[in-house]
Amino acid sequence: QVHLVQSGAELKKPGASVKVSCKASGFTMLNYGFAWVRQAPGQGLEWMGWINTSNGRANYAPKFQGRVTVTTDTSTTTAFMELRGLRPDDTSVYYCATLAPAVLDNWGQGTLVTVSS
Amino acid sequence: QLTQSPSSLSASVGDRVTITCRASQDISILLAWYHQMPGKVPRPLISAASTLEGGVPSRFSGSGSETNFTLTISSLQPDDFGTYYCQQLNSPPFTFGPGTKVDIK
Repeated sequence: QVHLVQSGAELKKPGASVKVSCKASGFTMLNYGFAWVRQAPGQGLEWMGWINTSNGRANYAPKFQGRVTVTTDTSTTTAFMELRGLRPDDTSVYYCATLAPAVLDNWGQGTLVTVSS
Repeated sequence: QLTQSPSSLSASVGDRVTITCRASQDISILLAWYHQMPGKVPRPLISAASTLEGGVPSRFSGSGSETNFTLTISSLQPDDFGTYYCQQLNSPPFTFGPGTKVDIK
């Protein structure tokens, strides 16, 4: 059974960086892409980017280009999302999900990142 | 870019509910639907426009292709309240629609 477990909530100051982890189990990591989606309080879902685990290539939404890095560590079956230059409007729940053809089919529980001085 | 209509609706248990998602360009059938209850993780309902994901009740169905897509709930149940999102997976960034909020009367 596919299971994605994310790291715990974070409180960061403006300008700092955050790195969220997503531990995968129950499936072969190399067979899936990993996507990151965020949701600000009371708002909709926002696509951030994804990584092709088999070749390590990542693709990011233009809004986050240059500020986000998505990686995977197949030895620990963990995906990571690092967001730099945090601003208060980056306060959101960040989700990892596996990217299957035409759907994000498994989701982590979400990680709340709060950016406040 | 994806648009959804309506942005919100209120319906009674047993009602048939239809939500529309429109894409600004041809995305073939590369569209997914999700349901999110308040404070919960989004749940995938439909992949590839019309394929029901595992464990999803058969009252949910999806249709459409190219630029026009529909999610239908044949008989609304109390657990169906929340927000429904479509997502295009044709070309990155794999954007989401703005969501349709469903309330139970």
